[in-house]
Amino acid sequence: NAGVTQTPKFQVLKTGQSMTLQCAQDMNHEYMSWYRQDPGMGLRLIHYSVGAGITDQGEVPNGYNVSRSTTEDFPLRLLSAAPSQTSVYFCASRDGPSNQPQHFGDGTRLSIL
Amino acid sequence: DQQVKQNSPSLSVQEGRISILNCDYTNSMFDYFLWYKKYPAEGPTFLISISSIKDKNEDGRFTVFLNKSAKHLSLHIVPSQPGDSAVYFCAASDRRDDKIIFGKGTRLHILP
Repeated sequence: NAGVTQTPKFQVLKTGQSMTLQCAQDMNHEYMSWYRQDPGMGLRLIHYSVGAGITDQGEVPNGYNVSRSTTEDFPLRLLSAAPSQTSVYFCASRDGPSNQPQHFGDGTRLSIL
Repeated sequence: DQQVKQNSPSLSVQEGRISILNCDYTNSMFDYFLWYKKYPAEGPTFLISISSIKDKNEDGRFTVFLNKSAKHLSLHIVPSQPGDSAVYFCAASDRRDDKIIFGKGTRLHILP
């Protein structure tokens, strides 16, 4: 049982480039979320989804797009990367509403030059 | 506006003693609270949680206390062990909302 898998683990981009961070879970969880972790800022919610076809914005959604075409996958897209998006990104899933524990992937470390 | 606050960026505790990590929140609608532990280069892992209808929840060496009137919760680790050295995140949620909001974290160092 792989849990939550994030790819790639590391990525370096130039300002203005686009890319997609992949997230897949094999636990059949309906709820999935994307967070970014920055020094001194903790984990901040970017976007989340309560099921296939349903997404919503979190605390810091600007500059990011998401879609949820299947239960398993929840990709995060950076349309035009900016240095302020240099961060560690975590994907999480959970089985039920917000009182259920989340399962996190190991993160994607992204640097924007 | 920060809704979940962990005001101590770091804490050092002697092995075998009690570690107390604190968390404050501002949103009175939060009704569920969770603690996560994070090691370097890994994702956070769930540790313990508490519903707003309780004031204490215990799981082995870990106990979480909730004081709703003060909008304050704390995580107690007794006895502290070297493997407890990690960053601890407090998180809160409102059952009407599917978002989970995290604090900035507290780095715990267990000293030999």
